[in-house]
Amino acid sequence: DAGVIQSPRHEVTEMGQEVTLRCKPISGHDYLFWYRQTMMRGLELLIYFNNNVPIDDSGMPEDRFSAKMPNASFSTLKIQPSEPRDSAVYFCASSLEGGVDETQYFGPGTRLLVL
Amino acid sequence: AQSVAQPEDQVNVAEGNPLTVKCTYSVSGNPYLFWYVQYPNRGLQFLLKYITGDNLVKGSYGFEAEFNKSQTSFHLKKPSALVSDSALYFCAVRLGHNAGNMLTFGGGTRLMVKP
Repeated sequence: DAGVIQSPRHEVTEMGQEVTLRCKPISGHDYLFWYRQTMMRGLELLIYFNNNVPIDDSGMPEDRFSAKMPNASFSTLKIQPSEPRDSAVYFCASSLEGGVDETQYFGPGTRLLVL
Repeated sequence: AQSVAQPEDQVNVAEGNPLTVKCTYSVSGNPYLFWYVQYPNRGLQFLLKYITGDNLVKGSYGFEAEFNKSQTSFHLKKPSALVSDSALYFCAVRLGHNAGNMLTFGGGTRLMVKP
């Protein structure tokens, strides 16, 4: 398996623009997580899905952030409009509930810079 | 609510010496405990976990961790450090089975191994 795939790996945009981050979880995994990592705040859980349904979005910073999971193999995290303080590395992770290996597997991350 | 504390922002150790990265947790039930490692510009990689059974858990790259229920700790150890072990290490806790696979991460500890 290729592991969790994220795109793009790097994104540079200007303040006010819409940004869409993409994630393909490991095939068969039923949980998907979006995290944000910054020097100041460390690793933060933004939202997670179970079987494509959002379970907990309490970590989403504000209404400018939205996440969707239209099917089991794809999720997006959208920021509209983007602001400089959104600059961070965004990670997607997936896991399988109830399996022998209940570990979260992380993607390589998307490094976002908002100018 | 569950929480994880990594009291040291950075740990410095000489190559060949033993290393310890500390982690304490707070949960109201039986914890599942994890260690992840993050190399520069990479996503988090699973290192080891404690679910149940033997309190000493062995993981990848020669690392091990000891679960201590009375001290609510799960310190990461390695008998002989390598320069290539230099990375950011995260401890995480999940509240037992059927807890939605959600992990709470500590703030991370940067391990620096000097030749």
